[in-house]
Amino acid sequence: DQQVKQNSPSLSVQEGRISILNCDYTNSMFDYFLWYKKYPAEGPTFLISISSIKDKNEDGRFTVFLNKSAKHLSLHIVPSQPGDSAVYFCAASANTGGFKTIFGAGTRLFVKA
Amino acid sequence: GAGVSQSPSNKVTEKGKDVELRCDPISGHTALYWYRQSLGQGLEFLIYFQGNSAPDKSGLPSDRFSAERTGGSVSTLTIQRTQQEDSAVYLCASSLITGLAETEAFFGQGTRLTVV
Repeated sequence: DQQVKQNSPSLSVQEGRISILNCDYTNSMFDYFLWYKKYPAEGPTFLISISSIKDKNEDGRFTVFLNKSAKHLSLHIVPSQPGDSAVYFCAASANTGGFKTIFGAGTRLFVKA
Repeated sequence: GAGVSQSPSNKVTEKGKDVELRCDPISGHTALYWYRQSLGQGLEFLIYFQGNSAPDKSGLPSDRFSAERTGGSVSTLTIQRTQQEDSAVYLCASSLITGLAETEAFFGQGTRLTVV
């Protein structure tokens, strides 16, 4: 049972344009959502997060939007840069007697120069 | 230490052998996770530790997999009688829990396990 779903395995965007990465979740108990970025041969690194009490969080070129009623979140990168090319993982966690962060399958972003 | 450290970085083993993977979390981080990423797949949750106890072992694929954590610090993931389908990158992450809040998890670089 995939509680966190990233339905697009890959996305290709021109440099300077907006990248939009989508994520859906099924567990209404999730109250904290995160995006991680992963380069080949490295561990994932934290990018940006959002609490369920908010619907938007912005950090520089990165913005995460949360739509709780739709159980959907998205990561916007604008403007996209070639160095943003990586695999992006959406993750969600809930405090249910312990924390367990569930990751999506990832979306590979290609930013073309 | 400065970050999460995993060893070995690469391990090639023969089918049927046992392997131990080690994770040194960030000092002071009470939560520790093991995930694995098989080729072309996402991150698969294996087990979570809070301190030395594992409230959630639901992700362990079979009874050949076990993990322990001692002193609230170092963790080892043991795979007995390895099979080829165990080949994957095994990632460890740690995070700080303060009260009811958890900070983001920091990952190690992973151990690439190849079973031949």
